[in-house]
Amino acid sequence: DAGVTQSPTHLIKTRGQQVTLRCSPISGHKSVSWYQQVLGQGPQFIFQYYEKEERGRGNFPDRFSARQFPNYSSELNVNALLLGDSALYLCASSQGTGGADTQYFGPGTRLTVL
Amino acid sequence: GQNIDQPTEMTATEGAIVQINCTYQTSGFNGLFWYQQHAGEAPTFLSYNVLDGLEEKGRFSSFLSRSKGYSYLLLKELQMKDSASYLCAVRDQGGSYIPTFGRGTSLIVHP
Repeated sequence: DAGVTQSPTHLIKTRGQQVTLRCSPISGHKSVSWYQQVLGQGPQFIFQYYEKEERGRGNFPDRFSARQFPNYSSELNVNALLLGDSALYLCASSQGTGGADTQYFGPGTRLTVL
Repeated sequence: GQNIDQPTEMTATEGAIVQINCTYQTSGFNGLFWYQQHAGEAPTFLSYNVLDGLEEKGRFSSFLSRSKGYSYLLLKELQMKDSASYLCAVRDQGGSYIPTFGRGTSLIVHP
């Protein structure tokens, strides 16, 4: 079975632009979470979606938004990009959002903001 | 909120054993994860502990003590490919069960 897939792999944008990142979960997984990871740090939680509904939101500004589609894939949108948004954006999927559910990560999208 | 502490960097010799510690403070506890992350790649799931004790999986073992807020990852028979960052993540009893990650421990294995 295919793992979590993300696109694009790399992306270069300039300040003020908007970006959309995409994620397809493992088949059968209904929950998708988004994380931002800057160099030397652990992943920081941005959003979690389950069955197309937002289940959690991290401490990120309103410039960050996301949604989940009926096929459980997801998009993360970031508006008005800042230099500090440069990071590896990780998508993780899990079967549900329960205590025993393990998150499996995709390869990530490397975003560079110039 | 949660506070997770791991050493920033460790070095070890090929063939040796290394123990990576993780301490945490959380208002409630609902599981601890260890992930391995090679440079420029996504984290890969290694282990999950929710009850006290040792979980063994091949060359890797993970231990948890909930009363002490402490876990360790034990890597045996180290190989060069084990050079990576090891992330400890703790899930609290909040409704969304979202894990909080530590900063990671960079392990360097040398010949």
